[in-house]
Amino acid sequence: EAEVAQSPRYKITEKSQAVAFWCDPISGHATLYWYRQILGQGPELLVQFQDESVVDDSQLPKDRFSAERLKGVDSTLKIQPAELGDSAMYLCASSSSGGAGEQFFGPGTRLTVL
Amino acid sequence: KNEVEQSPQNLTAQEGEFITINCSYSVGISALHWLQQHPGGGIVSLFMLSSGKKKHGRLIATINIQEKHSSLHITASHPRDSAVYICAVRYQLIWGAGTKLIIKP
Repeated sequence: EAEVAQSPRYKITEKSQAVAFWCDPISGHATLYWYRQILGQGPELLVQFQDESVVDDSQLPKDRFSAERLKGVDSTLKIQPAELGDSAMYLCASSSSGGAGEQFFGPGTRLTVL
Repeated sequence: KNEVEQSPQNLTAQEGEFITINCSYSVGISALHWLQQHPGGGIVSLFMLSSGKKKHGRLIATINIQEKHSSLHITASHPRDSAVYICAVRYQLIWGAGTKLIIKP
């Protein structure tokens, strides 16, 4: 069964270091999402891609976060420098319906910033 | 005021009980999603609905577009139903904070 892959599953880093997360969506899914979920809260959309183009990055803290999907397939989310408040679960999801349909989620990357 | 409000925030029940989780929203939508998140973090989509009612196994989701309200029901609840249940709208871009459900044996 097709799945969204994410790596790493867990990441521990010190503040001011750089971290990167990778996501490989379900094959053929044109829409890719990155979410941040702080413990006890619902997911917050960080960025949405349609193929290689950013559709919505209004909630992405652009001073330290960047996201790319160069070939419209897999994607990387980077934080530099990491701050204590960035500790959260980072979830990737993909959809085949241009954002109008069901999203399929990866297992997430749990980031701890010390 | 949050655009999506869920209630209750936490719910503990005994195995076999009928469970209801509510979701109210303030924005215009074309569809509402219910999702399940297990303690490990994985999220699974349960329902996408734009009107009426949908049923899948012991799960039932209803929506009233005029009242901007949806409910998720679980019949004959089981400990394996323990999870966080989240509703989301606007193509899943606006999320509720989730309802943490614990079913005790």
